[in-house]
Order: sequence, then C-alpha cells, then structure tokens
Amino acid sequence: AQSVTQLDSQVPVFEEAPVELRCNYSSSVSVYLFWYVQYPNQGLQLLLKYLSGSTLVESINGFEAEFNKSQTSFHLRKPSVHISDTAEYFCAVLQWGTYKYIFGTGTRLKVLA
Amino acid sequence: GAVVSQHPSRVICKSGTSVKIECRSLDFQATTMFWYRQFPKQSLMLMATSNEGSKATYEQGVEKDKFLINHASLTLSTLTVTSAHPEDSSFYICSASFGGALEDEQYFGPGTRLTVT
Repeated sequence: AQSVTQLDSQVPVFEEAPVELRCNYSSSVSVYLFWYVQYPNQGLQLLLKYLSGSTLVESINGFEAEFNKSQTSFHLRKPSVHISDTAEYFCAVLQWGTYKYIFGTGTRLKVLA
Repeated sequence: GAVVSQHPSRVICKSGTSVKIECRSLDFQATTMFWYRQFPKQSLMLMATSNEGSKATYEQGVEKDKFLINHASLTLSTLTVTSAHPEDSSFYICSASFGGALEDEQYFGPGTRLTVT
C-alpha cells in the first residue's frame, strides 16, 4: 500500500533562514509527487510537482524539491523564508494509472520575525 | 490557473438535517471531481471520485447513503451529507481535473467547514 510520511508536524524558523520540509513515501509502483500549500482557511494550492525529467523542480516563489528515487524522498527546501510562507504544507503522491492522491499529514511551517 | 469554487464556505446545521455542498469549476470543464475530508490537524482523506454523468466511486469506509455525490454537469458536483451528526463535522474539500491524462493536476476548492450541532 502507498503511504506518505511527513515526520515534522511543525517547523518553526526565523525569517530569512533556510528551511527543509521532509517527505518520504512508499509505493510498489511508480508515482508522481506533489507539494501543496494551504494557507489558513483556504484550500490547497499546488506548489510544485515532479512528473518526469529533471529530479529538481522549482516553484515560482523560491521553493524547490528534489526527487530521490533511491531514498524515496521528495523534500521541500527554500534558502530564505518569508513571513508570508507561514502555512501548512502537504506532500502527496499520485500512483501511475490512478487518480488517487495520497496525502501526508502535513507540516506546519511557522516563520518567526 | 483553473479556479474551483465551493459553496457555502461555512455551514452550521442541526443534527438530523441534510446539508448540500456545491463544487464548481469556474473556467474549465472538469472531467473528474473529487471529494475529500480533512479533520483538524490531519491530512486530506479521499472520500469519493466522480465523473460527469456516472455514479461516484466511494473509498472504502465511506458510507454511500450518507454522503450522496452528484456530478450532474462538467462544471458542477454536489455533496449532500444526509442526516448529519456531530461526528460529520469536518472540513470538506473538492477538487477537479480537466485533463485526460491521469497525472493531470487537480485544482482544489477553498473548502467548506461543516459544523453539526
């Protein structure tokens, strides 16, 4: 069975510091990988995704994630965070051949001034 | 990007009543729509998948008769929580996909917070 693990439920970090949000998955078949962000009282917004090709993918607001097949990981990083990055971040996998997303439990990023 | 709306954003109802939540794709035709449930501080759990004009496919453990899903058009899906009880209180989120490929992005609505008193 597929699963997604986000070990860190909360990550506090000071503004302009770097951050890494960890995501590991398990699946018996190939998957697509996603990071979604959820701001308070809002729905999920796609941050970035890996479908194929380069294992390093980037978002428009400075986040990046690297697909590591051997470690079955898709960690999210940002070299310098802003207060506005405070939100809940969800890692998700989509198994090839299905529509079904499996979400992790989320990591609450809190950026401190 | 594609926009998905949900109505209402919040609803409070009494135990035993039914509540209908609408999910609309505003600027695209959604071949498939999805309904998720999110408990506080937990992840999203897929409840069901629906294609326009056909019956929804429910995930294991989700009561079909309690959570009625109708996907009447390519831009509208509804979730009706029948005979709601306090344990049905949750955040319900829909998403929609318009592509023919399975890896096509799902666009999420802003969610509906249901409180059953």
